[in-house]
Amino acid sequence: DQQVKQNSPSLSVQEGRISILNCDYTNSMFDYFLWYKKYPAEGPTFLISISSIKDKNEDGRFTVFLNKSAKHLSLHIVPSQPGDSAVYFCAANFGNEKLTFGTGTRLTIIP
Amino acid sequence: GAGVSQSPSNKVTEKGKDVELRCDPISGHTALYWYRQSLGQGLEFLIYFQGNSAPDKSGLPSDRFSAERTGGSVSTLTIQRTQQEDSAVYLCASSLVVHQNTEAFFGQGTRLTVV
Repeated sequence: DQQVKQNSPSLSVQEGRISILNCDYTNSMFDYFLWYKKYPAEGPTFLISISSIKDKNEDGRFTVFLNKSAKHLSLHIVPSQPGDSAVYFCAANFGNEKLTFGTGTRLTIIP
Repeated sequence: GAGVSQSPSNKVTEKGKDVELRCDPISGHTALYWYRQSLGQGLEFLIYFQGNSAPDKSGLPSDRFSAERTGGSVSTLTIQRTQQEDSAVYLCASSLVVHQNTEAFFGQGTRLTVV
């Protein structure tokens, strides 16, 4: 039972354009959502998070949007840079329950 | 150290042998996770320790896998009678949980190869 889903395994975006990564969830109890970035041979690193009381959180080039009614969140990266090429995982949890991760989306930024 | 530390970074073992993987979480973090990532796959949850609560072992793939966390700090993941399908990168993460979870910080992982 995949409670957090990333339906696009890969995405290619031209440098300078906007990258939009999507994530859907099924558990309505989730109230905290996170995005992680992973380079090869490294552990995932935390990127940005959002609480369910908000619908948007911005940090520099990264913005996460949350649509609770649709159980959908997205990560926008603008402008995209070559160093953004990585695998991106979304994750969710509630209370002190464990984080549940999606399967990841491989983002490739084309110079 | 300031981050999550895992050892060894690489481990090659023969099929049928037992292995132990170690994780030193960030000091003061009450929650500790083990995940694994097989080649080309996503993050597979294995086990979750949170404070003094009973661990969530729902992700352990078989009874050959076990983990313990001593004194609420260091954790060891043990795989008995290793099989080739156990080959993966094993990732440990820790987080500070008070009333609600926060972001988890990952170690660099242990790459396990079973030959």
